[in-house]
Amino acid sequence: GAVVSQHPSRVICKSGTSVKIECRSLDFQATTMFWYRQFPKKSLMLMATSNEGSKATYEQGVEKDKFLINHASLTLSTLTVTSAHPEDSSFYICSARGLGLYGYTFGSGTRLTVV
Amino acid sequence: GEDVEQSLFLSVREGDSSVINCTYTDSSSTYLYWYKQEPGAGLQLLTYIFSNMDMKQDQRLTVLLNKKDKHLSLRIADTQTGDSAIYFCAESIAGGYNKLIFGAGTRLAVHP
Repeated sequence: GAVVSQHPSRVICKSGTSVKIECRSLDFQATTMFWYRQFPKKSLMLMATSNEGSKATYEQGVEKDKFLINHASLTLSTLTVTSAHPEDSSFYICSARGLGLYGYTFGSGTRLTVV
Repeated sequence: GEDVEQSLFLSVREGDSSVINCTYTDSSSTYLYWYKQEPGAGLQLLTYIFSNMDMKQDQRLTVLLNKKDKHLSLRIADTQTGDSAIYFCAESIAGGYNKLIFGAGTRLAVHP
């Protein structure tokens, strides 16, 4: 079945630094990738949608200069949290969808802690 | 607008059936999904139903869709302790990139 690999699973960084999270589709071409943020005991909040080779579409209220998304190939999308602050600490999950596939396959998530 | 609502908590006895309910607002939904999330993990697709279907059964899982009332339910037969998790319903919004809109999640607790 479709598999999405997300790395790292956990990361701790200092305030003011940048962190990159990778999301890879292992056995299918992900035409569309989605990035979500999940707060403790809360639902998933869609941050942005990216199509390979084009600019990401950000949801209202999400700072595109802070959360940089790159979808340079059909198997890789990256989310970079720039100048991270403690309030950016959260669980980030990516999801990928391939052409002709009905489902959305999720990565295992990244727990980001900014200290 | 796009909104998905679920009850937040459900407690059942092992061996009983669990029914998790969900309502959504967008009538243009194409597919509706049920995902399971265990602590600290990503989301696992359990099942999905196309919007023109009323029911779908997959082993212990039964999905019922009432499109008129925009109501979706997931029934888990013979609930086991391993079913304890958070269950999210989600609707796929037609158009654009077919983004998924999630409910808040229902925490299912299974006790002996």
